[in-house]
Amino acid sequence: EPEVTQTPSHQVTQMGQEVILRCVPISNHLYFYWYRQILGQKVEFLVSFYNNEISEKSEIFDDQFSVERPDGSNFTLKIRSTKLEDSAMYFCAGPGTSGRNEQFFGPGTRLTVL
Amino acid sequence: GENVEQHPSTLSVQEGDSAVIKCTYSDSASNYFPWYKQELGKRPQLIIDIRSNVGEKKDQRIAVTLNKTAKHFSLHITETQPEDSAVYFCAATRRLGGGADGLTFGKGTHLIIQP
Repeated sequence: EPEVTQTPSHQVTQMGQEVILRCVPISNHLYFYWYRQILGQKVEFLVSFYNNEISEKSEIFDDQFSVERPDGSNFTLKIRSTKLEDSAMYFCAGPGTSGRNEQFFGPGTRLTVL
Repeated sequence: GENVEQHPSTLSVQEGDSAVIKCTYSDSASNYFPWYKQELGKRPQLIIDIRSNVGEKKDQRIAVTLNKTAKHFSLHITETQPEDSAVYFCAATRRLGGGADGLTFGKGTHLIIQP
């Protein structure tokens, strides 16, 4: 299982502030995904990124969200003006090495909006 | 879009017994169905998956079955052990070459193994 690292592990922010969550895949893959999980609820898809472009996005992924791959390795999710309901675990996921469509999740960033 | 229903929400079984978790999906274009195990405070961990070109897949004590016609798939865990206690999520998506669309998850099943 390939490792994906995420930073920070926990982010606390004030409502209305911008946050940037980072994901670093170990291997150089083309597909990446961002998901969120509100405490006690199911995992929800936000956006997928393929070959440095957004491939698919969900209804949750509105104008306050953006994704980038600024330097070819880090993979960021930006939330422009955080709301209380953005408090959740945010996971990035990357594919395996077998080309078999799996998605392996990083350890996540816990975002707390006060 | 895709909709995945999962049940039961909670399942309590005696250690050593079998557990079955069931999911249904709505989008006939979905062709990849992974299962994830999530322990408290940890990331979802992929435990097994199945593609629409097979009806069953087994890996030691866990197995997954798929009925494309009925659009449902199930996770079977035999000889349950205390370490199987966790929340299990099913998911569905379409495969795309070496990747896939975003996963649509079920609401999860809290599996409790009673000693």
